[in-house]
Amino acid sequence: SQQGEEDPQALSIQEGENATMNCSYKTSINNLQWYRQNSGRGLVHLILIRSNEREKHSGRLRVTLDTSKKSSSLLITASRAADTASYFCATDAVNRDDKIIFGKGTRLHILP
Amino acid sequence: EAGVAQSPRYKIIEKRQSVAFWCNPISGHATLYWYQQILGQGPKLLIQFQNNGVVDDSQLPKDRFSAERLKGVDSTLKIQPAKLEDSAVYLCASSLDPRHSLNTEAFFGQGTRLTVV
Repeated sequence: SQQGEEDPQALSIQEGENATMNCSYKTSINNLQWYRQNSGRGLVHLILIRSNEREKHSGRLRVTLDTSKKSSSLLITASRAADTASYFCATDAVNRDDKIIFGKGTRLHILP
Repeated sequence: EAGVAQSPRYKIIEKRQSVAFWCNPISGHATLYWYQQILGQGPKLLIQFQNNGVVDDSQLPKDRFSAERLKGVDSTLKIQPAKLEDSAVYLCASSLDPRHSLNTEAFFGQGTRLTVV
C-alpha cells in the first residue's frame, strides 16, 4: 500500500511562477524525501527532511514538514521549463525496516 | 561515482514467457530495492535486500516473481510466467545501510521498461 499521497495530481504553471506540491502520509516517519522523475527516466533525489526538521532549502527548492499534520510541501521558486516532470514524496516509516514508500506523484508542467 | 546500472533498458515479451532483469548497485551500498512502476503511478516496492538477505518482500507476487542477490552486490529480478498486467517499468535503487547511516537517500537506475503482449 502507498504511504504518501501527493496533491495536486497535476499542475500547470507559467515559467517563472512558483510551484507548490503537497504530500500527506499516514504513519510516523523517520524522514521524508522528494524525488523528481522526467518522462521515461529514473528518479532523481531532490531533498531529504528528517522528522525533527521543519524546513529545508536546496537551491530553488524549499521543503516543509509538519509531523503533527503528517504533511509536507515542496516549493519550486522561479520555475523553468526544465522543471517539467513528475514529483514524488517518499517516506521512511518508523518500524518499517527503512522501506522507502512512494506516493502517486504530482505531474508538473511548466508553460513557456 | 558510477550510478545504479540496470539492463536491459527495454524488453518486449509475450504473455506466459519468462524475463529477467539485472541490477548493479552503487559500490558500497548495502541496501538494494526493486520497484515496479505502472504508467501514471508511483513506484511500488517489490523487494528490499540488506546485503544478501531479504528485508521485505511482502508485495512481491511470489507465485511468479523471484529475486536474488547472492553475493550481496548484483541482483536479478525474474518473472515467470509473465502476465499482461506486469507491463511496467522496473526500477532498481540502492542506498547506504540505514542502520549505520542517517542518510537513506536512494539512488535509482534508469529502469527496465517491460511490455507484455
